[in-house]
Amino acid sequence: DVKVTQSSRYLVKRTGEKVFLECVQDMDHENMFWYRQDPGLGLRLIYFSYDVKMKEKGDIPEGYSVSREKKERFSLILESASTNQTSMYLCASSPAGGATSTDTQYFGPGTRLTVL
Amino acid sequence: QKEVEQNSGPLSVPEGAIASLNCTYSDRGSQSFFWYRQYSGKSPELIMFIYSNGDKEDGRFTAQLNKASQYVSLLIRDSQPSDSATYLCAVYSSASKIIFGSGTRLSIRP
Repeated sequence: DVKVTQSSRYLVKRTGEKVFLECVQDMDHENMFWYRQDPGLGLRLIYFSYDVKMKEKGDIPEGYSVSREKKERFSLILESASTNQTSMYLCASSPAGGATSTDTQYFGPGTRLTVL
Repeated sequence: QKEVEQNSGPLSVPEGAIASLNCTYSDRGSQSFFWYRQYSGKSPELIMFIYSNGDKEDGRFTAQLNKASQYVSLLIRDSQPSDSATYLCAVYSSASKIIFGSGTRLSIRP
């Protein structure tokens, strides 16, 4: 079974703090993703990575950065947390695949971040 | 126009009936289509994928794809209360990205 774990289920931080969200997968997947999920807006891609030390911006990268030093670990960093970053953060991983791949994304349990 | 559109619901269906969930997408070059189920407070889990026109059945679930109409649907037969969840449609687009709809909330009433 694919396992994707995230460092915290719930996190409360103050405005201006630096926040680290960690994600680890144990299936040797090449691809890893960070999303945020907000009511009515669905899942929005923040950043993704197709390989170690490689990162690509998603649809809403502003205010975030990422790090992938090892294949199994993908970190999301909020350099200076703001109240509009209060959200559910979901990490996902998937095997490498081409355009017709049916490989899907496997999600972690999520981190509900509240910024006060 | 959103790239992947779903009716947000809630869709209320009596137990034992067929629930029909619909999704439209804008990128005609999209190649693979996924349905995820997400229980409240939990993360999404894949329940079906389809990439050829027509129907694909798996137990009580049937995914239907019509690329000409840019339409994908999910049918749930013999609906159970445990099927109550939000269902997310996702599309692997021609830009090699997976794009999610915002989900349809399904409620099965006993």
